Amino acid sequence: NAGVTQTPKFQVLKTGQSMTLQCAQDMNHEYMSWYRQDPGMGLRLIHYSVGAGITDQGEVPNGYNVSRSTTEDFPLRLLSAAPSQTSVYFCASSLKQAPGAPLHFGNGTRLTVT
Amino acid sequence: AQKITQTQPGMFVQEKEAVTLDCTYDTSDQSYGLFWYKQPSSGEMIFLIYQGSYDEQNATEGRYSLNFQKARKSANLVISASQLGDSAMYFCAMREGQGSSNTGKLIFGQGTTLQVKP
Repeated sequence: NAGVTQTPKFQVLKTGQSMTLQCAQDMNHEYMSWYRQDPGMGLRLIHYSVGAGITDQGEVPNGYNVSRSTTEDFPLRLLSAAPSQTSVYFCASSLKQAPGAPLHFGNGTRLTVT
Repeated sequence: AQKITQTQPGMFVQEKEAVTLDCTYDTSDQSYGLFWYKQPSSGEMIFLIYQGSYDEQNATEGRYSLNFQKARKSANLVISASQLGDSAMYFCAMREGQGSSNTGKLIFGQGTTLQVKP
């Protein structure tokens, strides 16, 4: 009963480095999304996907890329990390067509960019 | 554009008392859903309760109830008989649309930190 699995849990990057945050779900959810959480700002949507091969931008997409080649996986790529990307990142998934379906969250990745 | 506002950055409540966490929302859609999540200090996001815009009765889940006032666009969370384990950050969130117009996106408020005093 894995649910949503995010890796890594912690990461430190230097400015300009690239990395990929991994996210996988085993619930056959159509909808997947990435959020960042910063103090006093709640959770802000970065990118989301309504199915394999379909992605769209959220509220704060700049500096991040995503792809959705399978239903299960939704990686988030930072191409050139900046200190402003220091944050806690959450991946989440849900059934798309059920309006009351809650988002299921991963345990988060704490990213620090120095 | 849809927006969620939580105006209480922090709240205190005495153990065993009830507490209300405020949430107001803005949307032009007639069909939407409202959610509350709890985030304890360990960091995980825990789903608490859901209210659909067409639901005539307020949602309840154990000690949690949602005071839904559609005309005022408010969806306050009421926690009855507070426990020490209720100390956490609480987020209100909204999803617009149903059926094919439902993208699944959830927009969150800024959160309210609740501390329960013994």
